[in-house]
Amino acid sequence: DQQVKQNSPSLSVQEGRISILNCDYTNSMFDYFLWYKKYPAEGPTFLISISSIKDKNEDGRFTVFLNKSAKHLSLHIVPSQPGDSAVYFCAVISGGSNYKLTFGKGTLLTVNP
Amino acid sequence: KAGVTQTPRYLIKTRGQQVTLSCSPISGHRSVSWYQQTPGQGLQFLFEYFSETQRNKGNFPGRFSGRQFSNSRSEMNVSTLELGDSALYLCASSLSDYKSTDTQYFGPGTRLTVL
Repeated sequence: DQQVKQNSPSLSVQEGRISILNCDYTNSMFDYFLWYKKYPAEGPTFLISISSIKDKNEDGRFTVFLNKSAKHLSLHIVPSQPGDSAVYFCAVISGGSNYKLTFGKGTLLTVNP
Repeated sequence: KAGVTQTPRYLIKTRGQQVTLSCSPISGHRSVSWYQQTPGQGLQFLFEYFSETQRNKGNFPGRFSGRQFSNSRSEMNVSTLELGDSALYLCASSLSDYKSTDTQYFGPGTRLTVL
């Protein structure tokens, strides 16, 4: 049973517009959320994170929003650039005794010039 | 500072064989984790080592094992390979364990193909 779901396998946007990547999770015990970006033939690269005590975190063009009541996480990229084209994974860390990263299956973002 | 390195980058094996993959973490990083990436299942956690001890383990069969050396370098071993083990195996390192939410830095991965 998937605990972290990225329901859109792909997303295509125009350069300069906003990209919104979504992620849903099932376990309210998750307390730390991350986004990773992955280019082909490379490992995932950390992008941005948010703790469950916050609802928003910004880093330059990237903003992550957390809606705990809806168990929903989103990543906004504004403005989108062709170099942002990659697979984006959301990941969660849960508290308790089993610390590990649980990833969604990823969303392929294509930014068209 | 050098990033996480993994060797070999590509590997082809046949069913029933065993394989050992190697990971060198970023200098100073003590936690090393392993993940398997497949098209169907995405990125799945295998296990995590800290100070030569396995502290976390994912839901993989006992054919998957690992170890960490005193210099924090890690190896993972898969015995009796199956076709379904074909995947990209990723190693990630961080300063400490997940509890501190230190960022994990990933290596480029080892692409294993089982024929």
